[in-house]
Amino acid sequence: DTEVTQTPKHLVMGMTNKKSLKCEQHMGHRAMYWYKQKAKKPPELMFVYSYEKLSINESVPSRFSPECPNSSLLNLHLHALQPEDSALYLCASSQDERMNTEAFFGQGTRLTVV
Amino acid sequence: GEDVEQSLFLSVREGDSSVINCTYTDSSSTYLYWYKQEPGAGLQLLTYIFSNMDMKQDQRLTVLLNKKDKHLSLRIADTQTGDSAIYFCAERPRSNDYKLSFGAGTTVTVRA
Repeated sequence: DTEVTQTPKHLVMGMTNKKSLKCEQHMGHRAMYWYKQKAKKPPELMFVYSYEKLSINESVPSRFSPECPNSSLLNLHLHALQPEDSALYLCASSQDERMNTEAFFGQGTRLTVV
Repeated sequence: GEDVEQSLFLSVREGDSSVINCTYTDSSSTYLYWYKQEPGAGLQLLTYIFSNMDMKQDQRLTVLLNKKDKHLSLRIADTQTGDSAIYFCAERPRSNDYKLSFGAGTTVTVRA
């Protein structure tokens, strides 16, 4: 199983809503990542979790709150987002945070903030 | 992606070879990657090459690395319509080895 599963695939939320994105992998990977991708742009790193602890926060606004409940799951909690936060949110995992082997990406959650 | 540059578009006839080029700036990069992204989908790792290699072949894919010129290329033999996608080149610099630095992506269109 070399799959990273993200839910939901699509999400529309209002600026006052609270929602969560979910990511799951069962490859035994100890590093998990959140990326944000705007249309026709490359992915931009948001957060890195290593062994269930947040190791990197790329100066992401606090309206995005990551959580790693266990080694297989990674959540991204969303609150009071802005329309410019609309994007494809990609989760990835790798054996460890040095990504010295393959990094596997999920299919993404396409988020629209209205 | 300012440290990794790619041409934005490539159009190729079905059955021909495609060559996608990439230049990078960090000579200490240890791994270089090629990802494929189909419309509305996530990124699929196609292949990667370690910096001490010059070439890597995997079925229809050939990666060439010229470390002197910091140039990476991906050749797709016998290009098919299913190869139409955006292809991202990425480097993993030694200075920030948790982070992939992506190019802007090359949109490959395969015409019949």
